[in-house]
Amino acid sequence: QSALTQPASVSGSPGQSITISCTGTSSDVGGYNYVSWYQQHPGKAPKLMIYEVSNRPSGVSNRFSGSKSGNTASLTISGLQAEDEADYYCSSYTSSSTQVFGGGTKLTVL
Amino acid sequence: QLQLQESGSGLVKPSQTLSLTCAVSGGSISSGGYSWSWIRQPPGKGLEWIGYIYHSGSTYYNPSLKSRVTISVDRSKNQFSLKLSSVTAADTAVYYCARGGTGTTLGYGMDVWGQGTTVTVSS
Repeated sequence: QSALTQPASVSGSPGQSITISCTGTSSDVGGYNYVSWYQQHPGKAPKLMIYEVSNRPSGVSNRFSGSKSGNTASLTISGLQAEDEADYYCSSYTSSSTQVFGGGTKLTVL
Repeated sequence: QLQLQESGSGLVKPSQTLSLTCAVSGGSISSGGYSWSWIRQPPGKGLEWIGYIYHSGSTYYNPSLKSRVTISVDRSKNQFSLKLSSVTAADTAVYYCARGGTGTTLGYGMDVWGQGTTVTVSS
């Protein structure tokens, strides 16, 4: 299975909105509504931010939202804050009943 | 609340077998509707899914690692384990264990993670 495709980096100023894309195939992202997004700060374990494309776990800010169109999923962060600066990873369930991660996107808050 | 803690050998020689255990506390590993995963992250690189075991005992592995990986559960000890054989320097990474859904719960999102344990493959 090939890793999902994410931009290596994105940036935005405090208060702005940014979107991170995650492109797969019809065998993963496009075939199932099982896309998740994770936030990882340096030296820390990843944290689940979005599951099932657009659902937020309890405690996650509503500034984080997810969507999907075809084989591409997206994570949008609105009202950027300094604490949002981190690496973000998407993942998807696959037709082989496995999971696959994206390569990760480094978010810089300017 | 549920907590996961990885343990095992931090230094493994090339060609040997890496063995790690994830202890589950604050809940039962036998609870239905969840999967128990291993994920790794080489230094300075992204996350790589290794595999998971369902409550039913079914296992699924990353195709690129499948020939070398075994994930098992010890319900009496409330823990699950990872074995990776014939390791090379490319297997050097931080290894995480995590709880995830199985479609009906959390989709397949992984909501509880261990802190991670560093494994170095070197002679």
